[in-house]
Amino acid sequence: ETGVTQSPTHLIKTRGQQVTLRCSSQSGHNTVSWYQQALGQGPQFIFQYYREEENGRGNFPPRFSGLQFPNYSSELNVNALELDDSALYLCASSRWTEETQYFGPGTRLLVL
Amino acid sequence: QKEVEQNSGPLSVPEGAIASLNCTYSDRGSQSFFWYRQYSGKSPELIMSIYSNGDKEDGRFTAQLNKASQYVSLLIRDSQPSDSATYLCAVNLGGGTGTASKLTFGTGTRLQVTL
Repeated sequence: ETGVTQSPTHLIKTRGQQVTLRCSSQSGHNTVSWYQQALGQGPQFIFQYYREEENGRGNFPPRFSGLQFPNYSSELNVNALELDDSALYLCASSRWTEETQYFGPGTRLLVL
Repeated sequence: QKEVEQNSGPLSVPEGAIASLNCTYSDRGSQSFFWYRQYSGKSPELIMSIYSNGDKEDGRFTAQLNKASQYVSLLIRDSQPSDSATYLCAVNLGGGTGTASKLTFGTGTRLQVTL
């Protein structure tokens, strides 16, 4: 157990809907990164949050957005869901001054 | 060319043998490298990090890094059935050290340890 929690664990949505995923970082960690893992693939970096601001973004469209709160927890929002958004969404936390990241259990999203 | 490449496997080794997992990366400026283990249906679990050329050992696991060849590997000694999982190589491409990583992952190598 890494101490990183995510909710919900599973989610089913239909195309065009919006979804919000949540992550609580490990105690002492102030940086949260989000990744998308499609079936059979490695995780892909979506974006990272530090000091409540986005600090780097991968190759994902603007309909993927996020927030970080003063307690370092974070949300990932996806608008206008597409079938290809079906994946495991992983949150990883770390200290800003350290490179090692620890993953939460993930949220499995299915878009129908 | 993919930024981080791994053989998808499956790599099948008998119990007690050494499993050797390999990874190559594209950006010569990369400084930080990680191995994660992922069981089916679960999230990635950190096994090891390595930053300097050479070997780094932790129990049954040894990570090897060769920056000149842009190659990182993971050796698992005395492989156990519980080691059967997908092993993900992750690289902080082009990044410096000392701040939070933005990791690029390979597709993973599936390891099967047979009895």
